[in-house]
Amino acid sequence: GAGVSQTPSNKVTEKGKYVELRCDPISGHTALYWYRQSLGQGPEFLIYFQGTGAADDSGLPNDRFFAVRPEGSVSTLKIQRTERGDSAVYLCASSLSTSGGAVEQFFGPGTRLTVL
Amino acid sequence: GNSVTQMEGPVTLSEEAFLTINCTYTATGYPSLFWYVQYPGEGLQLLLKATKADDKGSNKGFEATYRKETTSFHLEKGSVQVSDSAVYFCALSEQGAQKLVFGQGTRLTINP
Repeated sequence: GAGVSQTPSNKVTEKGKYVELRCDPISGHTALYWYRQSLGQGPEFLIYFQGTGAADDSGLPNDRFFAVRPEGSVSTLKIQRTERGDSAVYLCASSLSTSGGAVEQFFGPGTRLTVL
Repeated sequence: GNSVTQMEGPVTLSEEAFLTINCTYTATGYPSLFWYVQYPGEGLQLLLKATKADDKGSNKGFEATYRKETTSFHLEKGSVQVSDSAVYFCALSEQGAQKLVFGQGTRLTINP
């Protein structure tokens, strides 16, 4: 079946602009995660949804970053007043119910964001 | 806080060589441990995992053993192939938590 998809695959914007990044999880996956990966580094956790609610948003770096998942499926990561330091690959992952822990997360191909 | 430290790369080996990629972690309690792999042009995918001390995860000829006494989860393969060329990430999730904490990744290149 279809995997996790993310759009756009590349986004170039100017400093100060607003951007939205979209994630379509695997159908039936109740948990959804956002990570950010800078060049040469491992992914860093941003936020995790269980259903429609954000169960853990401890990784969001500041209040310019916000994410929603209004119907418990598609999620949008929103970044206001972008800064050059926001340039990175933004990864989305999904998984089945997280009860019991240590579930496999399935990752999308990522959105490469470049802030000029 | 929790952290994962991986062997610095890049690592270059010849086909059929023995592979070890070191991974150590710092965590409270009893985390679950993972190795994820990113092949060229593809997304991250789970390679193997272990959820408690002395568990061994294995897949595609790769193995890693959860060693609580040394807080390690080293990745090994007895005979690597060109198709194993990829970036490998060690990661943990805290007991009861879902987010993954990743190491910085190790780029592996296998030459024929």
